[in-house]
Amino acid sequence: QQQVKQSPQSLIVQKGGISIINCAYENTAFDYFPWYQQFPGKGPALLIAIRPDVSEKKEGRFTISFNKSAKQFSLHIMDSQPGDSATYFCAAANTNAGKSTFGDGTTLTVKP
Amino acid sequence: DTEVTQTPKHLVMGMTNKKSLKCEQHMGHRAMYWYKQKAKKPPELMFVYSYEKLSINESVPSRFSPECPNSSLLNLHLHALQPEDSALYLCASSQDSYPGYEQYFGPGTRLTVT
Repeated sequence: QQQVKQSPQSLIVQKGGISIINCAYENTAFDYFPWYQQFPGKGPALLIAIRPDVSEKKEGRFTISFNKSAKQFSLHIMDSQPGDSATYFCAAANTNAGKSTFGDGTTLTVKP
Repeated sequence: DTEVTQTPKHLVMGMTNKKSLKCEQHMGHRAMYWYKQKAKKPPELMFVYSYEKLSINESVPSRFSPECPNSSLLNLHLHALQPEDSALYLCASSQDSYPGYEQYFGPGTRLTVT
């Protein structure tokens, strides 16, 4: 059973557009939700993270929206740039159990 | 310094070889992790060390043997691997003992088993 479902699998956006990636989870014990960005041949890098006591967190062009009742969270990339082209992973963690679960990833391509 | 370093960057080994992967961080983090990542897949947790003690082993085959000599170093010893073990091996560290806190990943070691 996949605990974190991520969509879409791939996304093509024009430069300057908004990229939106969605994740849904089932386990209500999850209490930490990070997003990672990974470029080919590199390790994942933490982009932004949120805890379920807030509904939105913004850092620069990146925003996480969190809907606790729907058990969904999403990443919005404003003013998308070709340099944002990468694979994005959402994750969910139960900090008491000590494990993170990753979504399957979204390959984002931003066209110039 | 928010860097996690891994050596080597690439490794090719035969099924009868013994090799080791190394990971180092100087951020004062007390939790360190090994992940395995196949192409176009998410990272899969293998091991977690918390305060230099193995706290999580995700039922990894014994041909993978982790070691944490001190709070800054993490090794992964490899022996009698199979071709399906070819993957990118990622090391990560975090400030707390749980992966729920911010994890910093290294660049990975690209392992090919022939």
